[in-house]
Amino acid sequence: EIVLTQSPGTLSLSPGERATLSCRASQSVSNNYLAWYQHKPGQAPRLLIYGASSRATGIPDRFSGSGSGTDFTLTITKLEPEDFAVYYCQQQGNSPQITFGPGTKVDIK
Amino acid sequence: QVQLQESGPGLVKPSQTLSLSCTVSGGSISSGGFYWSWIRRHPGKGLEWIGYVYYSGTTYYNPSLKSRVTISVDTSKNQFSLNLTSLTVADTALYYCARHRWGLGAFDIWGQGTMVSVSS
Repeated sequence: EIVLTQSPGTLSLSPGERATLSCRASQSVSNNYLAWYQHKPGQAPRLLIYGASSRATGIPDRFSGSGSGTDFTLTITKLEPEDFAVYYCQQQGNSPQITFGPGTKVDIK
Repeated sequence: QVQLQESGPGLVKPSQTLSLSCTVSGGSISSGGFYWSWIRRHPGKGLEWIGYVYYSGTTYYNPSLKSRVTISVDTSKNQFSLNLTSLTVADTALYYCARHRWGLGAFDIWGQGTMVSVSS
């Protein structure tokens, strides 16, 4: 099983600042099948990024993903008030098994 | 557009079986390329993938839950279901159904979730 580790656990920032979130895999993620989700209380998780770097439909371009192999990054260039949430990474490599990271909470400083 | 809606009991007793359904609207569950999935979130914790089913009935499960989980599909009702046996308080969670797009390796559509509490 591929284990995902996210850092930091909490990121305290102000609106307008840049957020950099890390996701590290215990083994290389095949096909770069690494996705990022935004999750707000009382709402369903929302797919932001798939294939490590492709934005999902309707996702603003301030969200970007990068990385390959075992190290991946989600960057939010200028935080908007609605961006404060928990962010999860998720992998699905060659195996049909899926794992999620523990999440990074982005909160208002 | 495709929407998913979970349904089922909010409270179940320990040792019982949880049965949840997910109704797919705005599209056919028999569309190829999608796996229909269950995911849960324990209070104060992260997301845990439970498993998924293809419209043909092929299933894949999280190894940690495999002995207790059955996911099935009913194409005539455009629904898929989760059965989780031998419940304990550790199964208390918010349960989501979601559509997994195989070519993306990601869950692109989610239901709103249904809270399940296991308590006597």
